[in-house]
Amino acid sequence: AQSVTQLGSHVSVSEGALVLLRCNYSSSVPPYLFWYVQYPNQGLQLLLKYTTGATLVKGINGFEAEFKKSETSFHLTKPSAHMSDAAEYFCAVSEENQGGKLIFGQGTELSVKP
Amino acid sequence: DADVTQTPRNRITKTGKRIMLECSQTKGHDRMYWYRQDPGLGLRLIYYSFDVKDINKGEISDGYSVSRQAQAKFSLSLESAIPNQTALYFCATSDSRGGDTEAFFGQGTRLTVV
Repeated sequence: AQSVTQLGSHVSVSEGALVLLRCNYSSSVPPYLFWYVQYPNQGLQLLLKYTTGATLVKGINGFEAEFKKSETSFHLTKPSAHMSDAAEYFCAVSEENQGGKLIFGQGTELSVKP
Repeated sequence: DADVTQTPRNRITKTGKRIMLECSQTKGHDRMYWYRQDPGLGLRLIYYSFDVKDINKGEISDGYSVSRQAQAKFSLSLESAIPNQTALYFCATSDSRGGDTEAFFGQGTRLTVV
């Protein structure tokens, strides 16, 4: 069975610093890969996804992630954190053509210090 | 109006009561899902439906049932609520015609069982 591991349940960065949220998955077949963001008292919003093609994926709000098959990783980065980035971030995987049937990581709460 | 609407948004119920959470969507998607979010566990799939006549158990279906009343409506029932079903519940949709590459989430229902 597939699984997703997010390293670090809480990450704190200073405003303007690099954001790096780590995600590793276990799958023998390249899956679809996703990052979702959840702001307080809201639902999940898609940040970015990898389904096929270019392995460096750019998303909304300046975030990007790189699919590295050899490392089974899909880490999320943003060069310069903003206070508005404070939220919970979820990495998820799915099988091909089943992007709604997701297996999620446990989530990483990002705090941004002024 | 939201594309994926969940009602109620918040609910407190007593142990042993039957409760139904409802989800409706205006996106015209054929696939619908119910997820449960618990702190530190991410989101886990309870049930999913790829079309009106197709309903499948997810990872944690025990204690839950669902009904797909129409393509646009998917309800989740707790026949006899128990305190460990206290959680945040999300409905989601996806579209097989578009290759099912993304899930669209409702705003969530916060359920407390006392």
